[in-house]
Amino acid sequence: DGGITQSPKYLFRKEGQNVTLSCEQNLNHDAMYWYRQDPGQGLRLIYYSQIVNDFQKGDIAEGYSVSREKKESFPLTVTSAQKNPTAFYLCASRSKAGGAGELFFGEGSRLTVL
Amino acid sequence: SQKIEQNSEALNIQEGKTATLTCNYTNYSPAYLQWYRQDPGRGPVFLLLIRENEKEKRKERLKVTFDTTLKQSLFHITASQPADSATYLCAPGGSSNTGKLIFGQGTTLQVKP
Repeated sequence: DGGITQSPKYLFRKEGQNVTLSCEQNLNHDAMYWYRQDPGQGLRLIYYSQIVNDFQKGDIAEGYSVSREKKESFPLTVTSAQKNPTAFYLCASRSKAGGAGELFFGEGSRLTVL
Repeated sequence: SQKIEQNSEALNIQEGKTATLTCNYTNYSPAYLQWYRQDPGRGPVFLLLIRENEKEKRKERLKVTFDTTLKQSLFHITASQPADSATYLCAPGGSSNTGKLIFGQGTTLQVKP
């Protein structure tokens, strides 16, 4: 089935550790996105990528890093510089970045810092 | 900066009634607006798209309006059902073709039987 796969679903991290969240899509979409969601809040954009080997910062990029070496993959690294990393992380993709196409979301990764 | 506002308080309605959710935006001229549904612990799911040259869009029991003068979109669910209980998010987009898409904070709808 076509879709977006995020892993792991749950992740625990000690303070000071970097962690990487995986996002893979087999929809042949050009654009991919990472959002953060805190309890009772909406989605805040961390990074997005319109095409392979290119990405832009969203509204809350500090403490995060991404790469887009392959079309189907857009991993997110939460670094130790992120002061409050406990949150629900959502990856999404759509066919083209510059159109009105809908976003397809993964099931999310819940990160907890111990 | 761009700002999107949705009703922050939960909306509680009785089954069978029409639910109306509001999305207001400022410092922004979107070319389109999307609505999504999110269930607890899940990723959002796309519901409807309305473009700036469209006043109204319908899909089954859903209706969306887009008023570019008021900078507002209204999302209606008619004949609401308990299964419609979820959080609904709006996302105005486009105009500068950057590909960036940001969301409102969402409104939680609770439909009581």
